[in-house]
Amino acid sequence: NAGVTQTPKFRVLKTGQSMTLLCAQDMNHEYMYWYRQDPGMGLRLIHYSVGEGTTAKGEVPDGYNVSRLKKQNFLLGLESAAPSQTSVYFCASSMDRALNIQYFGAGTRLSVL
Amino acid sequence: AQSVTQLGSHVSVSEGALVLLRCNYSSSVPPYLFWYVQYPNQGLQLLLKYTTGATLVKGINGFEAEFKKSETSFHLTKPSAHMSDAAEYFCAVSVQGAQKLVFGQGTRLTINP
Repeated sequence: NAGVTQTPKFRVLKTGQSMTLLCAQDMNHEYMYWYRQDPGMGLRLIHYSVGEGTTAKGEVPDGYNVSRLKKQNFLLGLESAAPSQTSVYFCASSMDRALNIQYFGAGTRLSVL
Repeated sequence: AQSVTQLGSHVSVSEGALVLLRCNYSSSVPPYLFWYVQYPNQGLQLLLKYTTGATLVKGINGFEAEFKKSETSFHLTKPSAHMSDAAEYFCAVSVQGAQKLVFGQGTRLTINP
């Protein structure tokens, strides 16, 4: 049982490049989330999904897009990367919103030069 | 809307000493409260949670937290610190039926030998 798997683990981009971060969960969870973690700011929610085919904006959605074409996968895209998007990105999933216990992946460390 | 404030971005204690990490929340409805722990270069994992019922909750690794409604607090304690407790700790709040967690800024715990 792998839980929540994020790929890649590390990536370096140049300003203006695009990339997609993949999150996969094998727990049949309905809810999935993308966060960014920056020093002293905790975790901030970028986008989330309450089920296959649905997405919604979180606290800091600008510059990011997401898709949830399959229940087990949640993709985070950066169309034109900026240095301000240098961060550690975490994906999480949750079975339901009654308790909202979230399970996290190991993170993707992204640097934009 | 809910919010969380963690008092102290960095706490340092000696091995064997009491650990106390402070968390205060704001919520207009009864909250669900969580503590997550993040070890270096890893994702977050659930330490303990409070939903309803007993206000003193026990988690993994000897940690516990007490929900105090009158003080809007959910402080995390451990009677005797161990070197392996060195990590970053996040307090989070949600409410029943909510789709999202709101995280505090995090507290980095250092254990001195």
